[in-house]
Amino acid sequence: NAGVMQNPRHLVRRRGQEARLRCSPMKGHSHVYWYRQLPEEGLKFMVYLQKENIIDESGMPKERFSAEFPKEGPSILRIQQVVRGDSAAYFCASSLGQGQTYEQYFGPGTRLTVT
Amino acid sequence: KNQVEQSPQSLIILEGKNCTLQCNYTVSPFSNLRWYKQDTGRGPVSLTIMTFSENTKSNGRYTATLDADTKQSSLHITASQLSDSASYICVVSVLGGSYIPTFGRGTSLIVHP
Repeated sequence: NAGVMQNPRHLVRRRGQEARLRCSPMKGHSHVYWYRQLPEEGLKFMVYLQKENIIDESGMPKERFSAEFPKEGPSILRIQQVVRGDSAAYFCASSLGQGQTYEQYFGPGTRLTVT
Repeated sequence: KNQVEQSPQSLIILEGKNCTLQCNYTVSPFSNLRWYKQDTGRGPVSLTIMTFSENTKSNGRYTATLDADTKQSSLHITASQLSDSASYICVVSVLGGSYIPTFGRGTSLIVHP
């Protein structure tokens, strides 16, 4: 059973470009979470999605950031018009169900560098 | 406000030595506490999970303790190995309500030969 997969592992974008980060959850998992980790910082929640629905996007910046989890295919975190401050590691996690008893399994992360 | 504080921020030890990492939390009502290990350039991997009624739980050379009264947890690593070099993150979940856990900033452990 493959774990959570993220791609690309590393992404370099120039200021103003768009970044698309992909996350394929573990088999059977329909709950996906996106986190951002800045250097020397802890993981910060961004958005929680179930298939075709955004459940909680309270941690997502209001502008330039969007996320989706379509019926088919991976979850996508999209950052438009990237700025230097968007440089970070973005982690995706998936779980079997919703709630505190369900463990979140993390992917290896995508390291975004904005030049 | 739910918070998780970890100490020390970083720690350097020699291979073979033991060490203890601390986690204090103000999350309420408490559901469970997990310790994750995050290798450099990798995603976090769960080491242990503890619920309110559990005082101690072991996973190989890792032993986690929980004092729900004082809202403190510790992670003890025995006979450290070079591969233990990583960031150790304490994560606390709330009972009912929010499904988003609260993450500590982590303790960076470096094991030297």
